[in-house]
Amino acid sequence: KQEVTQIPAALSVPEGENLVLNCSFTDSAIYNLQWFRQDPGKGLTSLLLIQSSQREQTSGRLNASLDKSSGRSTLYIAASQPGDSATYLCAVRWGRRALTFGSGTRLQVQP
Amino acid sequence: GAGVSQSPRYKVAKRGQDVALRCDPISGHVSLFWYQQALGQGPEFLTYFQNEAQLDKSGLPSDRFFAERPEGSVSTLKIQRTQQEDSAVYLCASSRPDRGHYGYTFGSGTRLTVV
Repeated sequence: KQEVTQIPAALSVPEGENLVLNCSFTDSAIYNLQWFRQDPGKGLTSLLLIQSSQREQTSGRLNASLDKSSGRSTLYIAASQPGDSATYLCAVRWGRRALTFGSGTRLQVQP
Repeated sequence: GAGVSQSPRYKVAKRGQDVALRCDPISGHVSLFWYQQALGQGPEFLTYFQNEAQLDKSGLPSDRFFAERPEGSVSTLKIQRTQQEDSAVYLCASSRPDRGHYGYTFGSGTRLTVV
C-alpha cells in the first residue's frame, strides 16, 4: 500500500532556529513530491514541488530534498520565524493522478 | 480566475439533509480533484476529473457522495442524506494538463458540520 508518513507530528522551537521536517513514503516509484503549508481554517499553500528526477528544490529560507531510494524527503526551514507557525504537509504523487498526503507536522515557532 | 474558489466557506447541515459544494478551478486547468480532510489529518482523495470526464471516483466513501463537472470547468460535490461522520473540510484542487510535471493549486475549502 502506498503511504506517506510525517515525523514529528508536532514541533515547537524558539525563533531563529533551523529545523527539519521529515516525510517518508513506501514506494520509491514516484512522479513528484510536494510540500504544502496549511494555516488554521485555511486551504493548502504549495511551498515546493520536487520532480522524481530532482534531488532538491529551494525557495527563500526553505529547502526540500528528495531521496527516492530511501523513500524520504526533508523540508529544511532556516532561521525560523513566528510567521512560519502552521501545519506542513507532505504529498506524493504516484502512478494515479491524485496526491497521497501525510498527516502533517504542526509547527509552532515561539517568539 | 487567479486561484481556486470554493463556496460556501462554511456549511452547517442537519443530519439527513442534502448539501452541494461548489469549486471554481483556475481557468485552463483541465485536472480537478476533490479531497476530504478530517480534523487533525491530511487530506484524503475523493475523486478526479479530467475536463468533464470523471476518471477516478475510488475515494468516494459511499454512494451518498456524487460529483460532477458537466462543462469541464466548475465542479459540484453533492452529499445526500448527510451523516455526522461527513463533517470535515472539503478541498478542491486543480492542475494544468496532466503530464506529471505540474503541482496542484488548492482552494480554501468548505467546512461542513453535520449536526
